[in-house]
Amino acid sequence: TQLLEQSPQFLSIQEGENLTVYCNSSSVFSSLQWYRQEPGEGPVLLVTVVTGGEVKKLKRLTFQFGDARKDSSLHITAAQPGDTGLYLCAGAPSYSNYQLIWGAGTKLIIKP
Amino acid sequence: KAGVTQTPRYLIKTRGQQVTLSCSPISGHRSVSWYQQTPGQGLQFLFEYFSETQRNKGNFPGRFSGRQFSNSRSEMNVSTLELGDSALYLCASSLAGPSAGAQYFGPGTRLTVT
Repeated sequence: TQLLEQSPQFLSIQEGENLTVYCNSSSVFSSLQWYRQEPGEGPVLLVTVVTGGEVKKLKRLTFQFGDARKDSSLHITAAQPGDTGLYLCAGAPSYSNYQLIWGAGTKLIIKP
Repeated sequence: KAGVTQTPRYLIKTRGQQVTLSCSPISGHRSVSWYQQTPGQGLQFLFEYFSETQRNKGNFPGRFSGRQFSNSRSEMNVSTLELGDSALYLCASSLAGPSAGAQYFGPGTRLTVT
């Protein structure tokens, strides 16, 4: 069974600071997705990374897929209160095209 | 294009009862996945349907079941409810499957079992 470990579980920082969230596994994933979820809503897809070593940028968010496709990171530059939410990573396992393996999430609070 | 809708949004049931939740996917999407979300647990995969066929099932007891209709709408049923079934139940739709492309989530059904 493939697992995804997400860290940290909780992060509270001041507006303007930088942060990185990690998603790690001992197994290879064919792709990895990052989502953000706000209270009372379902997760919203931010990005999908597919190629080992791939880097994608979404405004102040930078996503990286590890060379071996076992890990990924999300870096936020100059965090803003609007970035507050639960960040989830989800990997497509090698044994199934019909499900995703989910990390437990990182709860991020950006204080003004 | 309308998003994924789930009904009801909130539900309170007592132990032993059964419940049916409904999910209407985005028009044209044939894959519907169901998840259970509890605090600190992330999303736990329940099952995935594509064109009325269950293609994959997570590690949940047989009390949890689902189905998909010809119009891609899906329902999940939980029988003999237990306190531990209290959770946010999310459904997500996609064109071909959860790992094949973008997945779009509904707002969820908040189930409370007393």
